[in-house]
Amino acid sequence: GDSVTQMEGPVTLSEEAFLTINCTYTATGYPSLFWYVQYPGEGLQLLLKATKADDKGSNKGFEATYRKETTSFHLEKGSVQVSDSAVYFCALDYGGSQGNLIFGKGTKLSVKP
Amino acid sequence: DTGVSQDPRHKITKRGQNVTFRCDPISEHNRLYWYRQTLGQGPEFLTYFQNEAQLEKSRLLSDRFSAERPKGSFSTLEIQRTEQGDSAMYLCASSLGWGNEQFFGPGTRLTVL
Repeated sequence: GDSVTQMEGPVTLSEEAFLTINCTYTATGYPSLFWYVQYPGEGLQLLLKATKADDKGSNKGFEATYRKETTSFHLEKGSVQVSDSAVYFCALDYGGSQGNLIFGKGTKLSVKP
Repeated sequence: DTGVSQDPRHKITKRGQNVTFRCDPISEHNRLYWYRQTLGQGPEFLTYFQNEAQLEKSRLLSDRFSAERPKGSFSTLEIQRTEQGDSAMYLCASSLGWGNEQFFGPGTRLTVL
């Protein structure tokens, strides 16, 4: 079945370091891809999305590119801040008549000052 | 707009008891989703509604689970004869139609003793 695999955490970085969180997916069709973020004590929030191959989603300095050839959607940020400390989830969804998101296990990021 | 709300935020119950959770979606959203998240895992889809119709159910949703959305607004998720394995965070999300962003509530954390 369809699935999402994320790199294991936790990831600990110093402020201003470069961030990559790897995400690969297995899907039979052409899903939309998402990154959600969960800050401590808060609900899941959509960070960015891409709906077709080669699309780049971006928000708050984070970017991810939908790579159909490698079935990947890696999250990157050039310079992380302490406030980026959170759990990041990669997810896929077909939209349409199928309603549900399929999530990866999440990657916890801790950024130290 | 106050976003998606869930009640209660925490529930502690004894094994064998019944529990009911409520979700109030964003008012104009016609789609409502329930997910379950256990420690160290990403959310897993349980079921979703379009207006008052329950359109899809995961095999995770055993016979002890039932969900309703009687007037196409708020939804309830009931678990009968709770088991320790039901301990998890139960998340509700809503969206406006298909293919659009799902907005998540803060979740209800269930602990079954």
